[in-house]
Amino acid sequence: DSGVTQTPKHLITATGQRVTLRCSPRSGDLSVYWYQQSLDQGLQFLIQYYNGEERAKGNILERFSAQQFPDLHSELNLSSLELGDSALYFCASSVAGQGTETQYFGPGTRLLVL
Amino acid sequence: AQSVTQLGSHVSVSEGALVLLRCNYSSSVPPYLFWYVQYPNQGLQLLLKYTTGATLVKGINGFEAEFKKSETSFHLTKPSAHMSDAAEYFCAVSDLGSSNTGKLIFGQGTTLQVKP
Repeated sequence: DSGVTQTPKHLITATGQRVTLRCSPRSGDLSVYWYQQSLDQGLQFLIQYYNGEERAKGNILERFSAQQFPDLHSELNLSSLELGDSALYFCASSVAGQGTETQYFGPGTRLLVL
Repeated sequence: AQSVTQLGSHVSVSEGALVLLRCNYSSSVPPYLFWYVQYPNQGLQLLLKYTTGATLVKGINGFEAEFKKSETSFHLTKPSAHMSDAAEYFCAVSDLGSSNTGKLIFGQGTTLQVKP
């Protein structure tokens, strides 16, 4: 158990819909990362937050947005869903969001868009 | 910009045999390198990492990796495979770029099969 929790574990929805994925980091970690894992794209970095502020952005679609709240949990919002958004979405956390740190990954949310 | 290439999407070894998973990186600055393992239906777990210092890094479960700057490699090895090592392995580099953000760039992954 990494200490990072993600809900829900599974999500099935239809094209055009909007979903919210939730992540709680390990106790004491200030930085949260979101990654997408798909068969064709592999593991891709989406976005990073540190203590409530966006720190780095990757290949995140404009239809996707995220935020980190004062209690440090984070939410990833996916809207106008397309079939290609079906993937495993991971949240990870680290202490201060620096490049040398270990990132601790949650179990992921598996999203299926029908 | 940093990048990672894992040679071989599938590696099969017999139980007790040497495990060698290959990773080459590209980086314009001294890299921070990681190996993560993903067991079925689970998240990623850190095996080991190289940031600075000793180039031979020991990790969990008997794995180790050697940072070779001249070869731009960070191959993962284990002397004797166990059935429980069957999983997917990812090599990653921190994308340092112009700021130290911790963003990871992953290779495509290598699935390790261990045969009895």
